[in-house]
Amino acid sequence: GQQVMQIPQYQHVQEGEDFTTYCNSSTTLSNIQWYKQRPGGHPVFLIQLVKSGEVKKQKRLTFQFGEAKKNSSLHITATQTTDVGTYFCAGGTSYGKLTFGQGTILTVHP
Amino acid sequence: DVKVTQSSRYLVKRTGEKVFLECVQDMDHENMFWYRQDPGLGLRLIYFSYDVKMKEKGDIPEGYSVSREKKERFSLILESASTNQTSMYLCASSYARGAVPQHFGDGTRLSIL
Repeated sequence: GQQVMQIPQYQHVQEGEDFTTYCNSSTTLSNIQWYKQRPGGHPVFLIQLVKSGEVKKQKRLTFQFGEAKKNSSLHITATQTTDVGTYFCAGGTSYGKLTFGQGTILTVHP
Repeated sequence: DVKVTQSSRYLVKRTGEKVFLECVQDMDHENMFWYRQDPGLGLRLIYFSYDVKMKEKGDIPEGYSVSREKKERFSLILESASTNQTSMYLCASSYARGAVPQHFGDGTRLSIL
């Protein structure tokens, strides 16, 4: 079945440094979604990418979907303490089922 | 705002018990999902449902069953709980099939002793 691998598993940064997490799928994806889970919280939808090569920005966050629609990345510029949490990618099928990556736990040291 | 409510935040049960986890959504969403979340493994799909009385197996359905008698309610059943089912269980819903966001409940942390 479909597998989605996400790296790194952990990332520790100093406040102000950049952060990137990467996602790779074993199969071509219909779409990819990104979620953020704060410590003690539940996953919250951030964004969805659908088109090959698509790039979307949300303030300091930049999301990319690869040309082959098999990989994606999330880049945060100048991290803040409010960015702490676990970031998940989730590969989607055309009928709505998601396969989640393992997640990247981001720690930001002030 | 979408509200997905899971009946218990924490639950402790014994090996062999039949366990029910309940999930209710208030936005008339078509689709509902049950995941379990374990450290280093992300969220893994157990079962999902696209309609009332309809269910489909996810990636790890063994040892679980589900029930969807009403559109707003999706129950996860552990037929005979085992210690390897100790985990965080998350329910989610979405308004349609296809590429749409899923909305999650706060989760139930289940411990099987």
